[in-house]
Order: sequence, then structure tokens, then C-alpha cells
Amino acid sequence: NAGVTQTPKFRILKIGQSMTLQCTQDMNHNYMYWYRQDPGMGLKLIYYSVGAGITDKGEVPNGYNVSRSTTEDFPLRLELAAPSQTSVYFCASTKGSSGYTFGSGTRLTVV
Amino acid sequence: AQKITQTQPGMFVQEKEAVTLDCTYDTSDQSYGLFWYKQPSSGEMIFLIYQGSYDEQNATEGRYSLNFQKARKSANLVISASQLGDSAMYFCAMRGRGNAGNMLTFGGGTRLMVKP
Repeated sequence: NAGVTQTPKFRILKIGQSMTLQCTQDMNHNYMYWYRQDPGMGLKLIYYSVGAGITDKGEVPNGYNVSRSTTEDFPLRLELAAPSQTSVYFCASTKGSSGYTFGSGTRLTVV
Repeated sequence: AQKITQTQPGMFVQEKEAVTLDCTYDTSDQSYGLFWYKQPSSGEMIFLIYQGSYDEQNATEGRYSLNFQKARKSANLVISASQLGDSAMYFCAMRGRGNAGNMLTFGGGTRLMVKP
């Protein structure tokens, strides 16, 4: 049982480049989330999904896009990377009434 | 809107002593859940303890207990007998039932440093 798997673990991007952060869960959880964590700060919600085909914006969605074509996968897309997107990104999931499972995070640096 | 406030950016505690990390919250929901997570320097989020708003007893998990004062909207984490391995960031988070996405709202965190 792998839980929530995020790839890559580390990435350096140049300003203006694009990339997709991958997130996969094998627990059949309906709810999935993307958070970002800036240094010394708490986690802020970027996007979330309540099920396949349904996504919605969180607190800080600008500069990001998501899709949820399957229950298992919830990729996060950065189209035009900016230095302000330098952060650690966490994917998480839950069944709804239970606890949350977090991925190990992706450390992204935009230079 | 939900809000979590952690007013202690950093704290020191002597090894083997108890420490309380503060958390206050604001919500209009009647039903909600409060979570504490530990984030060591390696970066992963480790679940510690959960308290439901209708739970009559304060939650306990080993050396962790949650001092839940509903009227004051506070959910402080108490760590007994601190160990060097407790040095980490600690986050308080809340899930509100009025929130269709079941998402967690996090506080800004408290960095705990345990002194030998």
C-alpha cells in the first residue's frame, strides 16, 4: 500500500518553463488536494478535487492548473514558472470522514 | 471562512519537560475537526492527534494530548516528557463540516526546539 506518491521529489525550473507535478493515490480516496508551503510557513491550499472530473480553486490558485481524470491521479500543472512559485508542494487525500494522507512533497525552485 | 492561529513562532523546552503549543481557531461551523501535525526537518507531515468538536473527552495519543476548550475556541497540543526527537515544526489544522471540499486549513506553525 503506497499511499500518496508524489514525483518528482526535487526540481529546478527556469523562469517561464512549464512542468507537471504528479500525484497518485492507491486508497480509493475521493478527495485530493494540492498545498504549497513557503519557508517557515503553514500550508496553503492551491486546488482540490472531490472526485474524478471535479476540481475547484483553493486559497492560492493563480499560476496553477489541475485535472482529475481518474480517482487515483491529481496532477498539478505550472504553465509559466515564476520565482514566487518556489516552494514545497504537498499532495494529500482523504476518504472524507477519515484522516488525511500526505505525500512526501516536491521541492521546487524557480530561477 | 475558517482561520487557525498559532501565536508562538518558536519555542524551547528542556528535555523531559512538558510543553504546550497554542492553537486558536475561528469557524462558524457547529461540527468540525481539529488536527495536529508534526513536520521534522526531513519535511514529511506526520499526523499526531485529532479532536472532534462534539468529543466530550480531550484526545490523547501516547505522549500527546489535546487541551480542547470549545468556548474559548482553543485546541492546544501538550507534549509530555519532551524528547530530542520532538524538535520539529508543529501545525494545527481544522476541517469544517460546512466546507464541501473537506479541506484542511492550517495555522502558521510553531517551531519546537528541545534542549538536552
